[in-house]
Amino acid sequence: DTGVSQNPRHKITKRGQNVTFRCDPISEHNRLYWYRQTLGQGPEFLTYFQNEAQLEKSRLLSDRFSAERPKGSFSTLEIQRTEQGDSAMYLCASSLGTRGPGNTIYFGEGSWLTVV
Amino acid sequence: DQQVKQNSPSLSVQEGRISILNCDYTNSMFDYFLWYKKYPAEGPTFLISISSIKDKNEDGRFTVFLNKSAKHLSLHIVPSQPGDSAVYFCAASALGSARQLTFGSGTQLTVLP
Repeated sequence: DTGVSQNPRHKITKRGQNVTFRCDPISEHNRLYWYRQTLGQGPEFLTYFQNEAQLEKSRLLSDRFSAERPKGSFSTLEIQRTEQGDSAMYLCASSLGTRGPGNTIYFGEGSWLTVV
Repeated sequence: DQQVKQNSPSLSVQEGRISILNCDYTNSMFDYFLWYKKYPAEGPTFLISISSIKDKNEDGRFTVFLNKSAKHLSLHIVPSQPGDSAVYFCAASALGSARQLTFGSGTQLTVLP
């Protein structure tokens, strides 16, 4: 399977704990995105990387959130001191990063976070 | 401010008939539009896309129509099959935004056998 891979698929954590999600993008894709989705809503953009550089962050990404892509391949999203409002599906996606309109973004299966 | 809107939260269609899902947008800078299909507890799966230089794109049973003047696009599925039952998201991107996607809130399509 050469699609976007995310793990863990499900995580239940107590409020105040830290969690980390990992994403492996499609191998030739240089652009990597993180989105968050809550029930009844479409995915919302959090941040994106062009290779190893984090170039844009949404205002949704509070100081408790940090994302890395150390070698321009896989990425991690860490949430510190989790709150119940962080409960959501965290989606990773990747694309070739073309500037033109043909930049199709492919999503992984998501990581469900439940904060209790 | 919701830049991409899907005003119908749900749609039911008989198997074999046409499903039409609608999407409106407000940002005139959007130049690339995509439809994704999503099953519960899974990530969105890319379905079909259209560039703003076109008004129609077809892929098998799926056709997307774009009306730039009305800032409206639609996804037609013909014929509809029970396996098409899922949530469909409309998404749009603009040049200079890292091509990040802005999504609508989705339409739950149910195809009845």
